[in-house]
Amino acid sequence: QSALTQPRSVSGSPGQSVTISCTGTSSDVGGYNYLSWYQQHPGKAPKLMIYDVFKRPSGVPDRFSASKSGNTASLTISGLQAEDEADYYCCSYAGTHTFNYVFGTGTKVTVL
Amino acid sequence: QVQLQESGPGLVKPSQTLSLTCSVSGGSISSGGYYWSWIRQHPGKGLEWIGYIYYSGSTYYNPSLQSRVTISVDKSKNQFSLKATSVTAADTAVYYCARAVESAFDIWGQGTMVTVSS
Repeated sequence: QSALTQPRSVSGSPGQSVTISCTGTSSDVGGYNYLSWYQQHPGKAPKLMIYDVFKRPSGVPDRFSASKSGNTASLTISGLQAEDEADYYCCSYAGTHTFNYVFGTGTKVTVL
Repeated sequence: QVQLQESGPGLVKPSQTLSLTCSVSGGSISSGGYYWSWIRQHPGKGLEWIGYIYYSGSTYYNPSLQSRVTISVDKSKNQFSLKATSVTAADTAVYYCARAVESAFDIWGQGTMVTVSS
């Protein structure tokens, strides 16, 4: 199972919006709504930001929103803040042929 | 709230067995609805799901690692463990334990670095 494809980096100024794409196949992203997003600051553990494609866990700001269309999912950060600078990973269940989860290649978000 | 903490050797020799334990506090590993997971991150790279276990003992593994890994649970100690046999340098990574619901990994440990080297 190949990693989901994400852009290597995206950047924006404070207050702007950035969108990160996550492209897979019909065997993972396109086949299931078990799609989640994680934020990881350097040297820290990943933190769940989005689950079930678009749902936010308690405590995650509503500046973070997500969606999915076909084999591509997207995470949008609106009103970018300095603390949003981090790596972001998508993750999808990929159990068409065998039980599995696959992560994205990761995107570095830089706040200019 | 639920917290997870990994422990185990930071250095393992090639061909030997990697063994890690995750201690769960603030909640019972036997409470239903959660899967207790291992995920790793190679240096400077992305994340890789290793597998997870339900409190009942049912296990699910990444097909690419299934032949070498075993996840077990010790409900009396509120811990779960990972064993990976015949390790190589490619197993050098930060290993995270995490709690999962079916669709996401919602609570993570801080991670522990394991280096495979002679």
